[in-house]
Amino acid sequence: IQMTQSPSSLSASVGDRVTITCRASQYISSYLNWYQQKPGRAPKVMISAASRLQSGVPSRFSGSGSGTDFTLTISNLQPEDFATYYCQQTYSVWTFGQGTKVEIK
Amino acid sequence: QVLLQQSGPGLVKPSQTLSLTCTISGDSVSSNSAAWNWIRQSPSRGLEWLGRTYYMSKWFHDYAVSVKGRITINPDTSKNQFSLQLTSVTPEDTAVYFCARYVRVDTANRYFDYWGQGTLVTVSS
Repeated sequence: IQMTQSPSSLSASVGDRVTITCRASQYISSYLNWYQQKPGRAPKVMISAASRLQSGVPSRFSGSGSGTDFTLTISNLQPEDFATYYCQQTYSVWTFGQGTKVEIK
Repeated sequence: QVLLQQSGPGLVKPSQTLSLTCTISGDSVSSNSAAWNWIRQSPSRGLEWLGRTYYMSKWFHDYAVSVKGRITINPDTSKNQFSLQLTSVTPEDTAVYFCARYVRVDTANRYFDYWGQGTLVTVSS
C-alpha cells in the first residue's frame, strides 16, 4: 500500500494552523498513524488509529479521516512543532509516507 | 519505561553482512503483546519497515519483500535482545537503522511506540 503525503514541505509561523494530508493507494479503514521526527532523533508517535491522541501529546494536534484520506492538523503552531511528520498505515504490511517537513517561515 | 539500545558497526563492506543488535530494557523479547522490528531510513527510500519477530506460543518472523532472502531477525531470550542480519549488502543499503517495539492496543490502534537511538550504517569499501 502506497502512502502519499502532501505537501512535501511547508513554511509556517508560530501560531499558524497547519494541515497535512495523507492518501492511501487503497482502503485502510482507520489503520493510520502520524509520527513526528526531529533531526537526529527517532520518530515519535503522535496520533494512532487516525484520530487518537497519544498520551502526553498536546491537544493542538488532531487527526481525522478514514478509508483512504487522512489529515493531521496542528493548530496554534509552536516552536517545538517544527519537524518532519510521517503517516504510516498498519492495515497491510506497514508502510510510511514520504514525510512533510514543517519549517519556520 | 521501555528502552531499546542498539549496537553494531557503522561501516560494512559491499557483499558482506550487516549485523545489528537491539537490547531491550523494561520489556521482554518474549512478550506476547509486542512485536520487535527493524526499520531503516534513507533519503532515497524514506522510512522502510524491514521485518519483525514476535512470540505467540512460538516464534514468528515477517520480512519485507524488498529484503526477503537477505534478512534474518533473531530473538535472544537469554540476553533479552533481537538482532538484524542483512546479507550481500550494497551501497543501496546505506541508511540509518532503527529497532522499534510495535504494540497493538486494539484492532485499529497499533503503532511503534518505542524506538532505538538509530545507527548509521554505511556500505562502502
